[in-house]
Amino acid sequence: GESVGLHLPTLSVQEGDNSIINCAYSNSASDYFIWYKQESGKGPQFIIDIRSNMDKRQGQRVTVLLNKTVKHLSLQIAATQPGDSAVYFCAENTGGNQFYFGTGTSLTVIP
Amino acid sequence: KAGVTQTPRYLIKTRGQQVTLSCSPISGHRSVSWYQQTPGQGLQFLFEYFSETQRNKGNFPGRFSGRQFSNSRSEMNVSTLELGDSALYLCASSLGSGGYEQYFGPGTRLTVT
Repeated sequence: GESVGLHLPTLSVQEGDNSIINCAYSNSASDYFIWYKQESGKGPQFIIDIRSNMDKRQGQRVTVLLNKTVKHLSLQIAATQPGDSAVYFCAENTGGNQFYFGTGTSLTVIP
Repeated sequence: KAGVTQTPRYLIKTRGQQVTLSCSPISGHRSVSWYQQTPGQGLQFLFEYFSETQRNKGNFPGRFSGRQFSNSRSEMNVSTLELGDSALYLCASSLGSGGYEQYFGPGTRLTVT
């Protein structure tokens, strides 16, 4: 079956630095991807999405890169702030609204 | 615009009992998906409802069921609760089914004792 894996379970960065969170996916048929942020006690919060016909998409302080050749996604957060501390998930969609989620990366921002 | 709401937020049940959780999607959204989140298994897809019909189903036993009403509100039911059903149950809503942004509610924390 499909699997979505994250390279690093934890990531610590200094406030003001850029963060990069990586994600590998296994299903080459996946055509839509979402990055979520989940804070303790809350549901996942939509950050940014990207479709398979794109390789880069930018939002406010965030950029998602998609490399279909190696089935890899990354989330870049510019000028990381303490409020960015959370668990980040990538999710892949192959059809309908069934998403497969990665295990998550815990980002800690050091003031 | 109000977000996805879920009720109740917390629930404690005993093994063997059944439970019903409720989800109200964002206004105008017609698709509701349910997920189970546990420390050991992460976020796992349960099922999706769109226009009152189940569109997709994850790999969960038949004890897990759901339905959607004409106003797009959805309920999920778990019968004969087991200790392993303790989890955060999350509901997500989308405008449509397939390739749409999906927004999550705060979840219902179910504890089975």
